Amino acid sequence: GAVVSQHPSWVICKSGTSVKIECRSLDFQATTMFWYRQFPKQSLMLMATSNEGSKATYEQGVEKDKFLINHASLTLSTLTVTSAHPEDSSFYICSAHDTNTYEQYFGPGTRLTVT
Amino acid sequence: QQPVQSPQAVILREGEDAVINCSSSKALYSVHWYRQKHGEAPVFLMILLKGGEQKGHEKISASFNEKKQQSSLYLTASQLSYSGTYFCGTEMGNTDKLIFGTGTRLQVFP
Repeated sequence: GAVVSQHPSWVICKSGTSVKIECRSLDFQATTMFWYRQFPKQSLMLMATSNEGSKATYEQGVEKDKFLINHASLTLSTLTVTSAHPEDSSFYICSAHDTNTYEQYFGPGTRLTVT
Repeated sequence: QQPVQSPQAVILREGEDAVINCSSSKALYSVHWYRQKHGEAPVFLMILLKGGEQKGHEKISASFNEKKQQSSLYLTASQLSYSGTYFCGTEMGNTDKLIFGTGTRLQVFP
């Protein structure tokens, strides 16, 4: 199957700072990528849809000014958590939609801890 | 809006069977099934695109009842490697956007 990478895989930052997470589709082009957040022992919650060349579409309740998404190319989407707080600590996972196979491939996830 | 999965958790002995259900309150365009192990990303199992469709993948198969807005995942002759949390991802229109179910934790013991 296709490969999606995320960087970094694990990050600790201080409260009030910003963190950028990268999501790359390595062997296919993805016009659409998705960002999810997962708290311990809970399901994946969709945060936003990242569209190449246009603004992201955010799910209800997700602050677009806090979670900045940029999809500058067909293989890269970035999520920036601005002014992070301890409650933003979570497992952030991206996925990329392959229009050839109709499948969504998930990245390995980024564990964010805000102290 | 989040699909409800049942059961919440199940414990099996190796070789036993299990069924995991996913029910939506809204009409579904497709259902995707994933397995996630602790601390890892979800791994794709299969997609069901049409109402009434069934698919199989080794000893794991699934059905999709479009009218009932439900899907079921069937695990037969379970193996230790089947342990993990299973999620259904539901698509409510041709949007590619998946809303994940509440999850079912499965543990298989020798």
